[in-house]
Amino acid sequence: DTGVSQNPRHKITKRGQNVTFRCDPISEHNRLYWYRQTLGQGPEFLTYFQNEAQLEKSRLLSDRFSAERPKGSFSTLEIQRTEQGDSAMYLCATGTGGWETQYFGPGTRLLVL
Amino acid sequence: ELKVEQNPLFLSMQEGKNYTIYCNYSTTSDRLYWYRQDPGKSLESLFVLLSNGAVKQEGRLMASLDTKARLSTLHITAAVHDLSATYFCAAADSGSARQLTFGSGTQLTVLP
Repeated sequence: DTGVSQNPRHKITKRGQNVTFRCDPISEHNRLYWYRQTLGQGPEFLTYFQNEAQLEKSRLLSDRFSAERPKGSFSTLEIQRTEQGDSAMYLCATGTGGWETQYFGPGTRLLVL
Repeated sequence: ELKVEQNPLFLSMQEGKNYTIYCNYSTTSDRLYWYRQDPGKSLESLFVLLSNGAVKQEGRLMASLDTKARLSTLHITAAVHDLSATYFCAAADSGSARQLTFGSGTQLTVLP
């Protein structure tokens, strides 16, 4: 257990529905990242927060995706109008300001039917 | 654009044998990370390599970094079944976000 928690752990939804995931970071970590991992692949970067500011977004993050980190604590990732291609594991990772490792949460596995 | 390539993608080895996983990266990232992932689980940090010539060892695993060759290796010594997992290397972006770019992973199976 890295100290990063994510909820829910599993989500099954129908195409076209909206879903929201939550990440609670290690308390002293000001950096928070969202990654997406599909079967047989490494995680791919989606977006990055430093404290409450969203400073970087991947081109993978379409307009249907939005992320927030109010007050620089927990973060949410929302996917609107889900598509079957959104099915993946969504991972949250946190870190401090240096080059040390990022600590990953257990992930939310999304299945879009 | 930073790219990371790992090989082999699949590795099946006998207990007690040695082997090396290779990780090449495309630009001057020079910060290299190794993670382990068990099936259905998240990623566990193994090593952080931050400078040329860095070598880190933990148990039967040893990681090294050659920034001139843009190559990192993960060496497995006298493999045991418990090492069966998928191993990922990742390079950190040199910008302020420092997001990680991952390789495709090496699925290691240690056979008795």
